[in-house]
Amino acid sequence: EVQLVESGGVLVQPGRSMKLSCAASGFTFSSFPMAWVRQAPTKGLEWVATISTSGGSTYYRDSVKGRFTISRDNAKSTLYLQMDSLRSEDTATYYCTIYNNYRWFAYWGQGTLVTVSS
Amino acid sequence: DVQMTQSPSNLAASPGESVSINCKASKSISKYLAWYQQKPGKANKLLIYSGSTLQSGTPSRFSGSGSGTDFTLTIRNLEPEDFGLYYCQQHNEYPPTFGGGTKLELK
Repeated sequence: EVQLVESGGVLVQPGRSMKLSCAASGFTFSSFPMAWVRQAPTKGLEWVATISTSGGSTYYRDSVKGRFTISRDNAKSTLYLQMDSLRSEDTATYYCTIYNNYRWFAYWGQGTLVTVSS
Repeated sequence: DVQMTQSPSNLAASPGESVSINCKASKSISKYLAWYQQKPGKANKLLIYSGSTLQSGTPSRFSGSGSGTDFTLTIRNLEPEDFGLYYCQQHNEYPPTFGGGTKLELK
Protein backbone atom coordinates (compact mmCIF):
# COMPACT_ATOMS: atom_id res chain seq x y z
CA GLU A 1 0.00 0.00 0.00
CA VAL A 2 1.32 3.42 -0.97
CA GLN A 3 1.96 5.63 2.05
CA LEU A 4 3.12 9.24 2.04
CA VAL A 5 3.58 10.80 5.48
CA GLU A 6 4.41 14.48 5.70
CA SER A 7 6.00 16.15 8.72
CA GLY A 8 7.62 19.39 9.78
CA GLY A 9 4.72 21.81 9.61
CA VAL A 10 4.65 24.34 12.46
CA LEU A 11 3.93 27.98 13.28
CA VAL A 12 6.77 30.18 12.02
CA GLN A 13 7.34 33.93 11.79
CA PRO A 14 7.46 35.73 8.44
CA GLY A 15 10.94 35.75 6.94
CA ARG A 16 12.00 32.56 8.71
CA SER A 17 12.74 29.12 7.23
CA MET A 18 11.25 25.67 7.56
CA LYS A 19 11.88 22.24 6.03
CA LEU A 20 9.13 19.75 5.31
CA SER A 21 9.73 16.03 4.92
CA CYS A 22 7.67 13.28 3.33
CA ALA A 23 8.43 9.64 4.16
CA ALA A 24 7.36 7.32 1.35
CA SER A 25 6.68 3.60 1.48
CA GLY A 26 4.81 0.90 -0.40
CA PHE A 27 6.32 1.68 -3.80
CA THR A 28 9.71 2.12 -5.47
CA PHE A 29 10.32 5.74 -4.52
CA SER A 30 13.27 6.23 -6.86
CA SER A 31 11.13 5.36 -9.89
CA PHE A 32 8.59 8.17 -9.55
CA PRO A 33 8.70 11.93 -9.93
CA MET A 34 7.30 13.66 -6.85
CA ALA A 35 5.60 16.95 -6.15
CA TRP A 36 4.31 19.24 -3.43
CA VAL A 37 0.81 20.71 -3.64
CA ARG A 38 -0.59 23.16 -1.09
CA GLN A 39 -3.98 24.33 0.06
CA ALA A 40 -4.49 27.58 1.96
CA PRO A 41 -7.22 27.46 4.63
CA THR A 42 -10.65 27.27 2.99
CA LYS A 43 -9.05 27.65 -0.45
CA GLY A 44 -8.38 25.38 -3.40
CA LEU A 45 -5.37 23.30 -4.39
CA GLU A 46 -2.20 24.85 -5.79
CA TRP A 47 0.80 23.07 -7.29
CA VAL A 48 4.07 24.18 -5.66
CA ALA A 49 7.03 22.19 -7.02
CA THR A 50 8.02 19.02 -8.85
CA ILE A 51 11.20 16.93 -8.89
CA SER A 52 12.35 14.26 -11.30
CA THR A 53 13.27 10.73 -10.27
CA SER A 54 16.98 11.48 -9.94
CA GLY A 55 16.47 14.95 -8.50
CA GLY A 56 18.30 16.46 -11.43
CA SER A 57 15.29 18.43 -12.68
CA THR A 58 13.08 20.65 -10.56
CA TYR A 59 10.18 22.98 -11.34
CA TYR A 60 8.50 25.64 -9.20
CA ARG A 61 5.51 27.91 -9.34
CA ASP A 62 6.53 31.51 -9.88
CA SER A 63 5.53 32.71 -6.41
CA VAL A 64 7.98 30.35 -4.67
CA LYS A 65 10.89 30.43 -7.13
CA GLY A 66 14.10 31.43 -5.39
CA ARG A 67 12.58 30.83 -1.94
CA PHE A 68 11.62 27.12 -1.95
CA THR A 69 13.82 24.14 -2.81
CA ILE A 70 12.46 20.67 -3.50
CA SER A 71 14.85 17.74 -3.06
CA ARG A 72 14.80 14.02 -2.49
CA ASP A 73 16.89 11.26 -0.93
CA ASN A 74 16.16 8.08 -2.84
CA ALA A 75 18.19 5.99 -0.39
CA LYS A 76 15.88 7.12 2.41
CA SER A 77 12.69 7.24 0.28
CA THR A 78 12.13 10.77 1.49
CA LEU A 79 11.01 13.96 -0.23
CA TYR A 80 11.82 17.41 1.15
CA LEU A 81 10.71 20.99 0.74
CA GLN A 82 13.04 23.67 2.10
CA MET A 83 11.08 26.91 2.50
CA ASP A 84 12.98 30.15 3.07
CA SER A 85 11.84 33.77 3.42
CA LEU A 86 8.38 32.58 4.34
CA ARG A 87 5.41 34.90 3.82
CA SER A 88 1.94 34.92 5.30
CA GLU A 89 0.56 33.83 1.93
CA ASP A 90 2.56 30.59 2.24
CA THR A 91 0.23 29.53 5.07
CA ALA A 92 -1.31 26.27 3.88
CA THR A 93 -1.50 22.54 4.27
CA TYR A 94 1.30 21.06 2.18
CA TYR A 95 0.69 17.73 0.49
CA CYS A 96 3.33 15.32 -0.76
CA THR A 97 2.25 13.61 -3.98
CA ILE A 98 3.43 11.04 -6.48
CA TYR A 99 3.55 12.92 -9.75
CA ASN A 100 2.87 11.27 -13.05
CA ASN A 101 4.94 12.32 -16.07
CA TYR A 102 1.64 13.18 -17.73
CA ARG A 103 1.18 15.85 -15.07
CA TRP A 104 -1.43 14.42 -12.76
CA PHE A 105 -1.05 13.60 -9.04
CA ALA A 106 -1.52 9.88 -8.55
CA TYR A 107 -1.26 9.52 -4.74
CA TRP A 108 -1.38 12.04 -1.92
CA GLY A 109 -0.32 12.21 1.70
CA GLN A 110 -2.62 13.64 4.35
CA GLY A 111 -0.68 16.88 4.54
CA THR A 112 1.15 18.98 7.09
CA LEU A 113 0.02 22.48 8.14
CA VAL A 114 2.41 25.39 7.81
CA THR A 115 1.33 28.63 9.47
CA VAL A 116 3.31 31.80 8.82
CA SER A 117 2.38 34.48 11.32
CA SER A 118 3.96 36.89 13.74
CA ASP B 1 -1.41 29.76 -16.81
CA VAL B 2 -4.59 27.90 -17.72
CA GLN B 3 -7.47 29.01 -15.50
CA MET B 4 -9.90 26.31 -14.42
CA THR B 5 -13.45 27.20 -13.39
CA GLN B 6 -15.74 24.71 -11.68
CA SER B 7 -19.48 24.87 -11.31
CA PRO B 8 -21.47 24.69 -9.22
CA SER B 9 -19.49 25.60 -6.09
CA ASN B 10 -21.97 23.71 -3.94
CA LEU B 11 -24.31 20.87 -4.76
CA ALA B 12 -26.82 19.07 -2.54
CA ALA B 13 -28.09 15.60 -3.41
CA SER B 14 -29.44 12.43 -1.85
CA PRO B 15 -28.06 8.88 -2.00
CA GLY B 16 -29.22 7.13 -5.14
CA GLU B 17 -29.37 10.33 -7.19
CA SER B 18 -27.07 11.31 -10.04
CA VAL B 19 -25.09 14.55 -10.13
CA SER B 20 -22.83 16.37 -12.57
CA ILE B 21 -19.96 18.74 -11.87
CA ASN B 22 -18.62 20.98 -14.60
CA CYS B 23 -15.12 22.25 -15.25
CA LYS B 24 -14.18 24.86 -17.82
CA ALA B 25 -10.65 25.68 -19.00
CA SER B 26 -9.59 29.15 -20.15
CA LYS B 27 -8.08 27.60 -23.30
CA SER B 28 -8.16 24.20 -24.96
CA ILE B 29 -6.52 21.44 -22.93
CA SER B 30 -7.41 18.66 -25.37
CA LYS B 31 -8.57 15.70 -23.25
CA TYR B 32 -6.11 16.26 -20.41
CA LEU B 33 -8.23 16.76 -17.32
CA ALA B 34 -8.08 14.97 -13.98
CA TRP B 35 -10.64 14.78 -11.18
CA TYR B 36 -9.90 14.37 -7.46
CA GLN B 37 -11.99 13.70 -4.39
CA GLN B 38 -11.14 15.32 -1.05
CA LYS B 39 -12.62 14.18 2.26
CA PRO B 40 -11.75 15.27 5.82
CA GLY B 41 -9.14 13.10 7.47
CA LYS B 42 -8.39 11.18 4.29
CA ALA B 43 -5.78 11.53 1.57
CA ASN B 44 -6.98 13.14 -1.63
CA LYS B 45 -7.86 10.56 -4.22
CA LEU B 46 -7.30 10.66 -7.98
CA LEU B 47 -10.54 9.50 -9.62
CA ILE B 48 -10.12 10.14 -13.33
CA TYR B 49 -7.36 11.30 -15.67
CA SER B 50 -7.18 12.15 -19.36
CA GLY B 51 -10.77 13.28 -19.19
CA SER B 52 -12.43 9.88 -18.96
CA THR B 53 -9.98 7.20 -17.84
CA LEU B 54 -10.84 5.80 -14.43
CA GLN B 55 -7.94 5.44 -12.02
CA SER B 56 -7.59 1.90 -10.69
CA GLY B 57 -10.01 1.47 -7.81
CA THR B 58 -12.44 4.21 -8.88
CA PRO B 59 -16.00 2.83 -8.83
CA SER B 60 -17.74 2.60 -12.20
CA ARG B 61 -20.52 4.96 -11.03
CA PHE B 62 -18.00 7.75 -11.67
CA SER B 63 -17.52 8.91 -15.25
CA GLY B 64 -15.77 11.79 -16.97
CA SER B 65 -16.47 13.39 -20.31
CA GLY B 66 -15.49 16.36 -22.40
CA SER B 67 -12.64 17.76 -24.42
CA GLY B 68 -11.24 21.11 -25.41
CA THR B 69 -12.45 23.55 -22.76
CA ASP B 70 -15.54 21.88 -21.27
CA PHE B 71 -15.58 18.82 -19.05
CA THR B 72 -18.04 17.03 -16.78
CA LEU B 73 -17.73 14.62 -13.88
CA THR B 74 -20.88 12.54 -13.42
CA ILE B 75 -21.61 10.40 -10.40
CA ARG B 76 -24.52 8.01 -10.83
CA ASN B 77 -26.44 6.37 -8.00
CA LEU B 78 -24.70 8.35 -5.25
CA GLU B 79 -23.36 6.39 -2.30
CA PRO B 80 -22.93 7.91 1.20
CA GLU B 81 -19.13 7.84 0.81
CA ASP B 82 -19.30 10.06 -2.30
CA PHE B 83 -20.09 13.25 -0.38
CA GLY B 84 -17.13 15.60 -0.14
CA LEU B 85 -15.13 18.05 -2.22
CA TYR B 86 -14.24 17.52 -5.87
CA TYR B 87 -11.51 19.27 -7.82
CA CYS B 88 -10.61 19.28 -11.48
CA GLN B 89 -7.02 19.79 -12.69
CA GLN B 90 -5.66 20.33 -16.17
CA HIS B 91 -2.65 18.20 -17.00
CA ASN B 92 -2.11 19.43 -20.55
CA GLU B 93 0.63 21.92 -19.81
CA TYR B 94 2.83 23.42 -17.11
CA PRO B 95 2.02 24.61 -14.57
CA PRO B 96 -0.71 22.13 -13.62
CA THR B 97 -3.71 24.13 -12.37
CA PHE B 98 -6.79 23.24 -10.37
CA GLY B 99 -10.38 24.38 -10.33
CA GLY B 100 -11.82 26.04 -7.26
CA GLY B 101 -13.66 22.96 -6.07
CA THR B 102 -17.24 21.72 -5.78
CA LYS B 103 -18.68 20.71 -2.43
CA LEU B 104 -21.11 17.80 -2.75
CA GLU B 105 -23.35 17.75 0.30
CA LEU B 106 -26.07 15.50 1.60
CA LYS B 107 -29.54 16.93 0.98
